[in-house]
Parts: sequence; C-alpha cells; structure tokens
Amino acid sequence: DTGVSQNPRHKITKRGQNVTFRCDPISEHNRLYWYRQTLGQGPEFLTYFQNEAQLEKSRLLSDRFSAERPKGSFSTLEIQRTEQGDSAMYLCASSPWTDSYEQYFGPGTRLTVT
Amino acid sequence: AQSVTQLDSQVPVFEEAPVELRCNYSSSVSVYLFWYVQYPNQGLQLLLKYLSGSTLVKGINGFEAEFNKSQTSFHLRKPSVHISDTAEYFCAVDAQGGSEKLVFGKGTKLTVNP
Repeated sequence: DTGVSQNPRHKITKRGQNVTFRCDPISEHNRLYWYRQTLGQGPEFLTYFQNEAQLEKSRLLSDRFSAERPKGSFSTLEIQRTEQGDSAMYLCASSPWTDSYEQYFGPGTRLTVT
Repeated sequence: AQSVTQLDSQVPVFEEAPVELRCNYSSSVSVYLFWYVQYPNQGLQLLLKYLSGSTLVKGINGFEAEFNKSQTSFHLRKPSVHISDTAEYFCAVDAQGGSEKLVFGKGTKLTVNP
C-alpha cells in the first residue's frame, strides 16, 4: 500500500494556460474525491467519483474545471484558461468502500497562476 | 447547510502540557464528525471519527474527542503533547449525514514548544 499519490507536486503556470493534475488512489479504493485548499482555509469539496461515475460536483467547480476517472482507477483534474484565483492546493483523497468514512489524502498539487 | 467553526486559529503550548482544540458545528441533520491532522508537506491524516455510539472517541497518537450534541461541539484533547504533535488540525463534518463529502473548518495550528 503506497498511499495516494498526486502529480505534479507543484505547478506554476501563466494566466490563460490549461493545466492537468493526476491522482492515483490506493489500489482498489472505489471512491475518489477532489478538494481545493487555499491559504488559511480548510479543504473545500470539489467533486467525487464512485468507480468511474462522477456522482457530485460542487458549485465551486466552474465550467473551466473538468474531472475524469476513465477506468475507475486514476483520476485527472483539468483547469482550462487558468485565472489567478485558481491558485491553491488541490487535494485528492480515496476511500475503500461506501460507508467506510475513512478518506486517505494525497500530498496535494500546489498550483500557482502568475 | 452544514458548517464547522474552529474557534482558535493558533494554539501554542509547552511540551507535556495538556491541550484542547475546539470545534463547533452546525447541522440540521444527523452528522458524522472527524478530526484530521496535516503535517508540513504531507497529506491530511485521519485522527479519529464519530459515527455513532459512545460520545468519547479515541484516536491515534493519544488524541481523543468528545461529541456533545447539546452544545454541537466535538473538541479534540490530548493530556500530554509532544514536539512531534506540532501540525495543523482540521475538524470536519459529513455534509449530508452519509454522503461522505466532508466540510472542513479553517484549521488550528498547534505549536508545541520545548
């Protein structure tokens, strides 16, 4: 069990560019969550998947954001036309089954938009 | 909608002293409650959770928390802290009493001084 991994760990991009982050959950975890954390705040829910199905999206997730989990394993989060307000830590978590109530978090991807 | 208030943004204590980190929540439905810890440059780690049953919950690293429904609180305690407990602590509530989508507080930075 190697834990949840996220790549890249850091990303610096210019405003208007597209970025994509990857999350590899713990093997066989069927739920996967994305959160966003800004400085001085707790993580905020963005979206989650059960296997390959995206079950819920937060109002925080504008049309510029899209997430996928094509085969029910790894997931990607893409941000199009980045804005300075997108600068944050993007966290991924996975959980082993419904009703486990134990989310295992990755180290996060820190995005800086200049 | 559910929300979480962590009453102290920073708590400095001396090593071997007791500590209490305060958390209050608001919810119109039954809730599940959690405490997570975040060490520098690491992902969030679950300390403990309250789902049902005994209101005193014991977690890892000697931490415990007490669920108080009448006061809508879930304070985290440790009788004797170590330098290694220095970290940020987040209280969280399950947003819909079963969806496993977490709503986090803003966090409390615990600093343990020698």
